[in-house]
Amino acid sequence: DGGITQSPKYLFRKEGQNVTLSCEQNLNHDAMYWYRQDPGQGLRLIYYSQIVNDFQKGDIAEGYSVSREKKESFPLTVTSAQKNPTAFYLCASSIQGAGNSPLHFGNGTRLTVT
Amino acid sequence: GENVEQHPSTLSVQEGDSAVIKCTYSDSASNYFPWYKQELGKGPQLIIDIRSNVGEKKDQRIAVTLNKTAKHFSLHITETQPEDSAVYFCAARGGGTSYGKLTFGQGTILTVHP
Repeated sequence: DGGITQSPKYLFRKEGQNVTLSCEQNLNHDAMYWYRQDPGQGLRLIYYSQIVNDFQKGDIAEGYSVSREKKESFPLTVTSAQKNPTAFYLCASSIQGAGNSPLHFGNGTRLTVT
Repeated sequence: GENVEQHPSTLSVQEGDSAVIKCTYSDSASNYFPWYKQELGKGPQLIIDIRSNVGEKKDQRIAVTLNKTAKHFSLHITETQPEDSAVYFCAARGGGTSYGKLTFGQGTILTVHP
């Protein structure tokens, strides 16, 4: 079955450490996205990529970095500069830019930083 | 950029009743409005969407209405069932510089009591 795989489901890190969240899709989608979900705040866009080797900052990119070396992969690194990294992180993909086709989401990674 | 407000934040109904969730948006150029359902521990799934050239769309027990003049759209669920219990998010695609990005509402926790 085609879909989006996020791993791991739960991740624990000590404050001051960088951590990378994995996102892989086999839907042959061009566009990929990272959202952060906090209680009562909906989904906020961190970074998005419309094509391989290109990506743009979303609304809350500070303290995060991404790469898009392959069409099927879009890893997110949460750096030590992110002041409040504990959250639920969702990866998504779409055929084109989000406005032209629906987003398909993975099942998320819950990151806890202590 | 686009701003989406969603109400209510929580909604409790009896099985068989109808449920209505409302969203307003700020960008008059927005032209795509999807609704997502998120079950516990999973990523959001698209349940219905509407484009700005349509006023209403139905899919079995789910319907969405759009009022472009007032800049609001609503999700209607009829004959609710316990399995409808989830978090629901509305979203809008803004125009102009935000082209291609979806902005999400804060979410509504729907609980359907048997």
